Amino acid sequence: DGGITQSPKYLFRKEGQNVTLSCEQNLNHDAMYWYRQDPGQGLRLIYYSQIVNDFQKGDIAEGYSVSREKKESFPLTVTSAQKNPTAFYLCASKDTGELFFGEGSRLTVL
Amino acid sequence: SQQGEEDPQALSIQEGENATMNCSYKTSINNLQWYRQNSGRGLVHLILIRSNEREKHSGRLRVTLDTSKKSSSLLITASRAADTASYFCATDAGGSEKLVFGKGTKLTVNP
Repeated sequence: DGGITQSPKYLFRKEGQNVTLSCEQNLNHDAMYWYRQDPGQGLRLIYYSQIVNDFQKGDIAEGYSVSREKKESFPLTVTSAQKNPTAFYLCASKDTGELFFGEGSRLTVL
Repeated sequence: SQQGEEDPQALSIQEGENATMNCSYKTSINNLQWYRQNSGRGLVHLILIRSNEREKHSGRLRVTLDTSKKSSSLLITASRAADTASYFCATDAGGSEKLVFGKGTKLTVNP
């Protein structure tokens, strides 16, 4: 089935460690996005990519990094520079305006 | 920055009643979208309305858009317990590639 696959679903990290969240899509979409969601809050844009080998910062890019080496993949690295990384992370791809979301990755910093 | 703001933040109704959620935004848009999120899950697209449209229907969903007031409403008719979820509006903030989401309305439909 076509869709967005995020992994892992749950991740625990010690302070000071970098972690990478995976996002893969087989929808053949050019644009991909990473959002962060905190409890009871809306989604805030971290990074987005409109095409392979190109990406732009969103509203809260500090402490995060991404790459877009393949059309299907848009991994997000949460670095130790991110002050408050515990959150629910959502990846999405876009087709003619509509976003298709993965099921999310919940990161907890211990 | 959050472009859209939903109102109310939470809504509790009985099955069979209608649910209305509102969204206000700040800048001009090309389109406005509504999404649904079940607890702990990803978002699912419900409906997209373009800036030159005033009303759109999809099944039990009715969306209106008033660009002069920079507001939209989502009406769910004859609600069911399965409609319990959070609902978000998202705008393209002047036609950019970025979709900006509001904080959402948490809808509870009691059986």
